[in-house]
Amino acid sequence: AQTVTQSQPEMSVQEAETVTLSCTYDTSESDYYLFWYKQPPSRQMILVIRQEAYKQQNATENRFSVNFQKAAKSFSLKISDSQLGDAAMYFCAYRDNTGTASKLTFGTGTRLQVTL
Amino acid sequence: DTAVSQTPKYLVTQMGNDKSIKCEQNLGHDTMYWYKQDSKKFLKIMFSYNNKELIINETVPNRFSPKSPDKAHLNLHINSLELGDSAVYFCASSQDLAGGPGNEQFFGPGTRLTVL
Repeated sequence: AQTVTQSQPEMSVQEAETVTLSCTYDTSESDYYLFWYKQPPSRQMILVIRQEAYKQQNATENRFSVNFQKAAKSFSLKISDSQLGDAAMYFCAYRDNTGTASKLTFGTGTRLQVTL
Repeated sequence: DTAVSQTPKYLVTQMGNDKSIKCEQNLGHDTMYWYKQDSKKFLKIMFSYNNKELIINETVPNRFSPKSPDKAHLNLHINSLELGDSAVYFCASSQDLAGGPGNEQFFGPGTRLTVL
């Protein structure tokens, strides 16, 4: 079974600084997707960024980028120029790229605080 | 305009009662899911349905019974509620079961269930 591990329960970053959230996963599959979701206090789950395992190039979305190391099964999220609105729980998630295995497997989350 | 909606947003009830949570999506998706987020914020898949057919049942107690009257709706009925059922329940939908970059899951706002 696939597992996702986030080893940082809490992180803190100053406004305008850069922070990296860690995620490792375990799978025997070669074709899959990895995601970072943001959950602000409103509890809405918001997709931040996605990475396809067969793509070597790291995904980027504005201030958000990932460092995907397939051999090491590592998928970290870098947030540049942090803003107060980035404060939230961040979840790393995995999904097989097979027909009936479309469920998301989540890590335990990292709570990000952004300070002035 | 809401893509995935859930009712109610908050539900407070006594142990032993039966309650239902409703979910509707207006995205024209074929696949819908229920996830449970416990008090430690851990998110786990419970069920998935594809075009009204049960696809995933992740060893959830049979007190939980999903019902899909049509592919736009996936309701969750819970019998004989227990204290441990207190959690936030998220509904989600995706285009279908297939993999692929466009098949992301869209989440509803969540229902916070409190069992007293």
